[in-house]
Amino acid sequence: DIQMTQSPSSLSASVGDRVTITCRASQSISSYLNWYQQKPGKAPKLLIYAASSLQSGVPSRFSGSGSGTDFTLTISSLQPEDFATYYCQQSYSTPPTFGPGTKVDIK
Amino acid sequence: EVQLVQSGAEVKKPGESLRISCKGSGYSFTSYWISWVRQMPGKGLEWMGRIDPSDSYTNYSPSFQGHVTISADKSISTAYLQWSSLKASDTAMYYCARHIVVVVAAGDNWFDPWGQGTLVTVSS
Repeated sequence: DIQMTQSPSSLSASVGDRVTITCRASQSISSYLNWYQQKPGKAPKLLIYAASSLQSGVPSRFSGSGSGTDFTLTISSLQPEDFATYYCQQSYSTPPTFGPGTKVDIK
Repeated sequence: EVQLVQSGAEVKKPGESLRISCKGSGYSFTSYWISWVRQMPGKGLEWMGRIDPSDSYTNYSPSFQGHVTISADKSISTAYLQWSSLKASDTAMYYCARHIVVVVAAGDNWFDPWGQGTLVTVSS
């Protein structure tokens, strides 16, 4: 199985801050990387697919980049509704695997 | 609106059987796979397996193969996840998700949307 890691595991930020989350795969996965947001008590929600494509309806302050083994999710200006846990997920091979998550909370 | 609606929370004893459901609406149910994902309390997301509702072909993670069964009834746009003998370690939230596949042989696939989740508690 492909192992996914994320850093940091948690971060504290203020409204308006620029936030960057990093995801690394244990082998090259081309651009087959997706990002999800999960709020407490809620189901995950797709934000970014294929490394950099913004899912319909997702605010443009979210962006994704990277290829190969290293990827980033950036929130350009953190909003109150963005405090959540973010997961990356590789779709290069079966089984699809998720990173351990990055919790973003209020500073 | 594309929606997946899951069955309600369950409380079971070890050794009991269980089937939970996931009903799709707002799209052609047979055009997309359905995947199941486990989230243990306070933990991350684990893919369990998937089904193609058009032909009921299934694919399981090695971690879950033999312990759960995924099935679907396309006549009622519903997918199922079932256990024949639950363990306390099966206590978790279980999500179904529409598994969008652009190219089957490549990696262009992702999960969207997700059901609201079904909490399964197994305790004696």
